[in-house]
Amino acid sequence: EAAVTQSPRSKVAVTGGKVTLSCHQTNNHDYMYWYRQDTGHGLRLIHYSYVADSTEKGDIPDGYKASRPSQENFSLILELASLSQTAVYFCASSGQGAGQLYFGEGSKLTVL
Amino acid sequence: GDSVTQTEGQVTVSESKSLIINCTYSATSIGYPNLFWYVRYPGEGLQLLLKVITAGQKGSSRGFEATYNKEATSFHLQKASVQESDSAVYYCALSGGTGGYKVVFGSGTRLLVSP
Repeated sequence: EAAVTQSPRSKVAVTGGKVTLSCHQTNNHDYMYWYRQDTGHGLRLIHYSYVADSTEKGDIPDGYKASRPSQENFSLILELASLSQTAVYFCASSGQGAGQLYFGEGSKLTVL
Repeated sequence: GDSVTQTEGQVTVSESKSLIINCTYSATSIGYPNLFWYVRYPGEGLQLLLKVITAGQKGSSRGFEATYNKEATSFHLQKASVQESDSAVYYCALSGGTGGYKVVFGSGTRLLVSP
């Protein structure tokens, strides 16, 4: 069965600190995505990637960087965490074609 | 840009009654997007419920149906008779047609089915 795993599942960070959220997939999918979820906003796309060593900006990329060192791994990096980045973050992968996503369990980030 | 609108944040339906959850989309950069419904059951991860990639076609799964209406730019989710186990959060989404892989989600609709 397809698997997307995220770590950490929960993190408390301080304002101005650096946060790295990691995602690993065993689906052999080319496409990977990072979304954030806030109440009332559904899921909003931050960054995505369709090949290793390349990333693309999504709809809300400001304040976030992404890294795709291999097909299996995709990280989301907050260089200077801010209060407004408190949210639940979801990673997903997708094979080529019609865009069906396979999601991880989510990472809850609280910035204090 | 592309967007998906779900007007109801929460819907409450009595068991065995019919359901409709509204979804409309705007795909200014994509002629005919692929359309999806995802669902998150309590305590579970987000998963695909159904998808339709051809305008005019209907998708179905677990008793739910949705028809791709390109004239109305709508993809409403319907079920004739809901069960308590259908209580969940439902998300409408779209992705690009030819080669597109950016997936845009609506804000979600929480369905509460009362016994």
